[in-house]
Amino acid sequence: AQSVTQPDIHITVSEGASLELRCNYSYGATPYLFWYVQSPGQGLQLLLKYFSGDTLVQGIKGFEAEFKRSQSSFNLRKPSVHWSDAAEYFCAVGPISGGYQKVTFGTGTKLQVIP
Amino acid sequence: DAGVTQSPTHLIKTRGQQVTLRCSPKSGHDTVSWYQQALGQGPQFIFQYYEEEERQRGNFPDRFSGHQFPNYSSELNVNALLLGDSALYLCASSLLSGRGEQFFGPGTRLTVL
Repeated sequence: AQSVTQPDIHITVSEGASLELRCNYSYGATPYLFWYVQSPGQGLQLLLKYFSGDTLVQGIKGFEAEFKRSQSSFNLRKPSVHWSDAAEYFCAVGPISGGYQKVTFGTGTKLQVIP
Repeated sequence: DAGVTQSPTHLIKTRGQQVTLRCSPKSGHDTVSWYQQALGQGPQFIFQYYEEEERQRGNFPDRFSGHQFPNYSSELNVNALLLGDSALYLCASSLLSGRGEQFFGPGTRLTVL
């Protein structure tokens, strides 16, 4: 069964500082990987996705993530955090093939940005 | 493009009642998935509909059922509500031919008293 672990429940960073959110997955093959962001009381917005190819993927809002097969990780990074980045971030893993798509989410990391 | 829409926004029910939540997918999408997100948790997969049939199901009891209509919109029904059913219910749409990239609606906040 596929699973996702986000070891950090809550992270606080200063505005302008760099950010890295950790994500580890368990899956039988190379999965499709996603990062979503959720602002309070809102639905989820897709930040970026990895399907294949270049292991460093760029997303919206200046975010990037790196797929490391040897570590089963897909960590999210941003060089300089803005106050508007404060939200909850979810890593998710999906099936390698098309067809019926069961996406499994991690428990999330809540990001607080301090001035 | 209106994106994924859900109704109602908020709902308050009492234990034992039944509830129906509605979802309209993003234009061009043919697959709808439902998730339950309890407070402080990640979304938990309930089920997925394609061509008006349930194609995949998560670890939820039969009290949770759904339907997909010919226009791809979908309903989630929950019978015999329990206090533990209080959560944000998210609908996500996608293309079956896609790679699992889902677009989410804003959710319906269900409170069971």
